[in-house]
Amino acid sequence: AQSVTQLDSHVSVSEGTPVLLRCNYSSSYSPSLFWYVQHPNKGLQLLLKYTSAATLVKGINGFEAEFKKSETSFHLTKPSAHMSDAAEYFCVVTPHSGNTPLVFGKGTRLSVIA
Amino acid sequence: GAVVSQHPSWVICKSGTSVKIECRSLDFQATTMFWYRQFPKQSLMLMATSNEGSKATYEQGVEKDKFLINHASLTLSTLTVTSAHPEDSSFYICSALLPGQGEKLFFGSGTQLSVL
Repeated sequence: AQSVTQLDSHVSVSEGTPVLLRCNYSSSYSPSLFWYVQHPNKGLQLLLKYTSAATLVKGINGFEAEFKKSETSFHLTKPSAHMSDAAEYFCVVTPHSGNTPLVFGKGTRLSVIA
Repeated sequence: GAVVSQHPSWVICKSGTSVKIECRSLDFQATTMFWYRQFPKQSLMLMATSNEGSKATYEQGVEKDKFLINHASLTLSTLTVTSAHPEDSSFYICSALLPGQGEKLFFGSGTQLSVL
């Protein structure tokens, strides 16, 4: 069975400071992991994905995430937050093979303070 | 917390038939719902945005006559895959926006469609 835990429902940072959004997963298979962002009233946008290649994955808008198998984590980071980063972020896991459905985390709302 | 119910979870159909997938917000009214599809090992692809009482907004490259979306009430959106073909086999998932300050997105459990 798979599960995803986003440890923080809300994270607030000051503009220009680092961002850390935490995600832990459990999976019986070698998983694929994704981070998506949802801006107000919009659908999901893919930030980055891990599919068993390099463990450090770089995404759009300066975001990156590191797959750590020993910690079963896939935390999302960005060195310097912008006001435009304020949004809801979802961590998603799916097995690396087969058609087993996706499992979504409950989301983390990122607020950026000027 | 808010719940989004998606039905069916699995469906197998013959080529040429139509399949309807339902997405319900069980304890809130959702004026906006989204439909996505996912191919194996790929990321989600937004297909369309469904707004209650109006026509859905389709993403570029998505055939609106093939994937019919109806959002007739504040708690129900349906996606009908018309004249399904094997290439339509995929995982379809809906999400619903919980309105209010800082709208939050809730997801259905998805539908795995296999077209023979």
